[in-house]
Amino acid sequence: EAGVTQFPSHSVIEKGQTVTLRCDPISGHDNLYWYRRVMGKEIKFLLHFVKESKQDESGMPNNRFLAERTGGTYSTLKVQPAELEDSGVYFCASSPTTTEAFFGQGTRLTVV
Amino acid sequence: QKEVEQDPGPLSVPEGAIVSLNCTYSNSAFQYFMWYRQYSRKGPELLMYTYSSGNKEDGRFTAQVDKSSKYISLFIRDSQPSDSATYLCAMHTQGGSEKLVFGKGTKLTVNP
Repeated sequence: EAGVTQFPSHSVIEKGQTVTLRCDPISGHDNLYWYRRVMGKEIKFLLHFVKESKQDESGMPNNRFLAERTGGTYSTLKVQPAELEDSGVYFCASSPTTTEAFFGQGTRLTVV
Repeated sequence: QKEVEQDPGPLSVPEGAIVSLNCTYSNSAFQYFMWYRQYSRKGPELLMYTYSSGNKEDGRFTAQVDKSSKYISLFIRDSQPSDSATYLCAMHTQGGSEKLVFGKGTKLTVNP
């Protein structure tokens, strides 16, 4: 069974540019989460989808971040325009229930 | 005060040692307690989870939860060099999005 897959694995962009991160969850998992780890800090929750609906987006830092989940399958997280403080590792996780979350390998975003 | 506190280490032990990793938390509403293992440049991998108080054992790993003290532990017996990784505690409440709240992680090195 394929795990959670994230693209790209690493992205370097200039301040002010746009970046889109993609997550392909494990097939059949209705719950999809985005988390972020900035350097020196703990992993923090961004938002939660149940199928195509946003269940909880309380962790989204500001309106420069936009997440979508098309047809309840893959999800994208767009940052527009990117700022220096957006640098970090973005993790996607999926789960069949809300108890066990399986994480992808992460996308390392560097904004210069 | 952070919701979850975890000593980041680093922790270095000889092969075969018993390792004790710990977290404390402040939110008494947490009901699910997870331990994740993360190798360098990889995503967190769920090791085990416990619901409410008590112990859970899986091979060389034992998780303990003491809700009265708001304290959780992970014990690794007969530690191996392959156990060298960062160990993250995480927890969530029951109901709602059940988003994970993470500790910072403890970096463990097991020396052959």
